[in-house]
Amino acid sequence: KAGVTQTPRYLIKTRGQQVTLSCSPISGHRSVSWYQQTPGQGLQFLFEYFSETQRNKGNFPGRFSGRQFSNSRSEMNVSTLELGDSALYLCASSAAHGGYSPLHFGNGTRLTVT
Amino acid sequence: GIQVEQSPPDLILQEGANSTLRCNFSDSVNNLQWFHQNPWGQLINLFYIPSGTKQNGRLSATTVATERYSLLYISSSQTTDSGVYFCALKGNNDMRFGAGTRLTVKP
Repeated sequence: KAGVTQTPRYLIKTRGQQVTLSCSPISGHRSVSWYQQTPGQGLQFLFEYFSETQRNKGNFPGRFSGRQFSNSRSEMNVSTLELGDSALYLCASSAAHGGYSPLHFGNGTRLTVT
Repeated sequence: GIQVEQSPPDLILQEGANSTLRCNFSDSVNNLQWFHQNPWGQLINLFYIPSGTKQNGRLSATTVATERYSLLYISSSQTTDSGVYFCALKGNNDMRFGAGTRLTVKP
């Protein structure tokens, strides 16, 4: 079975721009969750989607948004980029929502905002 | 929200040594997971262990949810075990990760 696929692997953007990251879950998994990892704040939960519905949202500004498609693939969007948005963005898929089954992570997208 | 604390923050071992990593959490939950992040940033699920004990090769984990802690045991450590170990669990609305234990195994 193919693992979780995130694209692109690396991105360099300028302040004020917007960015879209993509995540393809493991086949059969209907839950996709997104996380931001920075040296200062560690791993922080952004949001979770299950069956195309946002189930949970972390404490991030509205500039961070996401969606899930009928094939369970998910995208997250960050608008009006700030320097502090530079981070490793990870997505994870799981069979059940709400953290009640193992999370499987992709390799991440490393975003640099200049 | 739920608090997750891991100890020790850093651990340096010689190859072949054993170690125990601890994860304390503030609320009684039943969905704890352990992960290993290798030096290249890849995050691997080691255990989904809401309660009880599980073993996978040289690794084992025990969660005592009623006492709000979980332990990860690494036996006969190898240099490939180096990296950061995280525990995580589901709070009211989000997944909470501990700050991690950075393990360095020296040859």
